[in-house]
Amino acid sequence: DGGITQSPKYLFRKEGQNVTLSCEQNLNHDAMYWYRQDPGQGLRLIYYSQIVNDFQKGDIAEGYSVSREKKESFPLTVTSAQKNPTAFYLCASSARTGTGTLNTEAFFGQGTRLTVV
Amino acid sequence: QKEVEQDPGPLSVPEGAIVSLNCTYSNSAFQYFMWYRQYSRKGPELLMYTYSSGNKEDGRFTAQVDKSSKYISLFIRDSQPSDSATYLCATKGSSASKIIFGSGTRLSIRP
Repeated sequence: DGGITQSPKYLFRKEGQNVTLSCEQNLNHDAMYWYRQDPGQGLRLIYYSQIVNDFQKGDIAEGYSVSREKKESFPLTVTSAQKNPTAFYLCASSARTGTGTLNTEAFFGQGTRLTVV
Repeated sequence: QKEVEQDPGPLSVPEGAIVSLNCTYSNSAFQYFMWYRQYSRKGPELLMYTYSSGNKEDGRFTAQVDKSSKYISLFIRDSQPSDSATYLCATKGSSASKIIFGSGTRLSIRP
């Protein structure tokens, strides 16, 4: 089955720790995204990547870091610099705009719920 | 001003009613429009995807885009309790990969 897999589903972090959220896709998509969702809120973009070895900051990148060494993988690290990391984190992927396809809709994983303890 | 505005609701309607969900956007360069359904504690599920203006129908769902007024809509016919969820609109331009989301409308269908 093609899709996006996020792990773990639940993650607990102690104050001052860095944690890494995993996102893997087998849809052969070039573009991948990380969003943060707080209770009752919409999705806010943290980072996105249009192609391997390239990524751009979104609206709320401070305190987060990413890498894109492989097409299938786009891990997100929540660093100790992120002062309020408790949230629901969503990863998505899509075909890259401008490649000749109109099918550039994004598909989401099931999310990781991060809690600071 | 947010790039995509969406009424957060909550919206409560009786079973069988027609539901209308709406968003407005500010950037005329947006070309792709999406509607997602999100159940509590789950990832968003793509419902409808349209390119440029016009209507698209899929079962009980119809997506409508009016680029002249920068207005997008999702209609749900014969609404069911299982339609109770948060609905998110999203859009992006033809030259950018960044996807912009509305804040979501919480919908409740009363049996």
